[in-house]
Amino acid sequence: QQQVKQSPQSLIVQKGGIPIINCAYENTAFDYFPWYQQFPGKGPALLIAIRPDVSEKKEGRFTISFNKSAKQFSLHIMDSQPGDSATYFCAASTRYGNKLVFGAGTILRVKS
Amino acid sequence: DGGITQSPKYLFRKEGQNVTLSCEQNLNHDAMYWYRQDPGQGLRLIYYSQIVNDFQKGDIAEGYSVSREKKESFPLTVTSAQKNPTAFYLCASRRTSGTLGSYNEQFFGPGTRLTVL
Repeated sequence: QQQVKQSPQSLIVQKGGIPIINCAYENTAFDYFPWYQQFPGKGPALLIAIRPDVSEKKEGRFTISFNKSAKQFSLHIMDSQPGDSATYFCAASTRYGNKLVFGAGTILRVKS
Repeated sequence: DGGITQSPKYLFRKEGQNVTLSCEQNLNHDAMYWYRQDPGQGLRLIYYSQIVNDFQKGDIAEGYSVSREKKESFPLTVTSAQKNPTAFYLCASRRTSGTLGSYNEQFFGPGTRLTVL
């Protein structure tokens, strides 16, 4: 119930493509769904986050789509660039939760 | 410059030794966390602390110990009881008050890579 399942494990797209990373959860008490971006040898950094009262949120080229009934959310990267090559983690927590539950991560490579 | 610092960046340990990883934050956050990252396994929670002088075990606490004597500091000791300690260790912190959403975000340090020789 506490798991967040993330797919795919790795993804290769051409520059300008739209990679999509998917996550699914079981715990209906989850209320906060962030995406983190991590470059090799660095700590993760928050990219974008969503709450279940909206179905979509955009920040620049990054969009989260949220489907509450399916208990799924996904990250879309528009006009992807080689600089977007990184590992992406989805996560979830309850409203006042003090812990984040992380997906296993997706290694994205954008080819120039 | 506000943030989280971890030291050292790289650490080598001989089998049977205890080692301590440092984590300091100047964000005035109450909560602090330690995660372990292994390839293909995401981030797994080792210990967390929501207030000074209090901490709780995470999902993989065996073989690790922590202390929280100061708000700014949350050191992690990897003991000889941890059978497979080679990993990338990440410290994070979080505010525990504010507007909805502002207190969910965890801020991460740059990490310490521990290798057992």
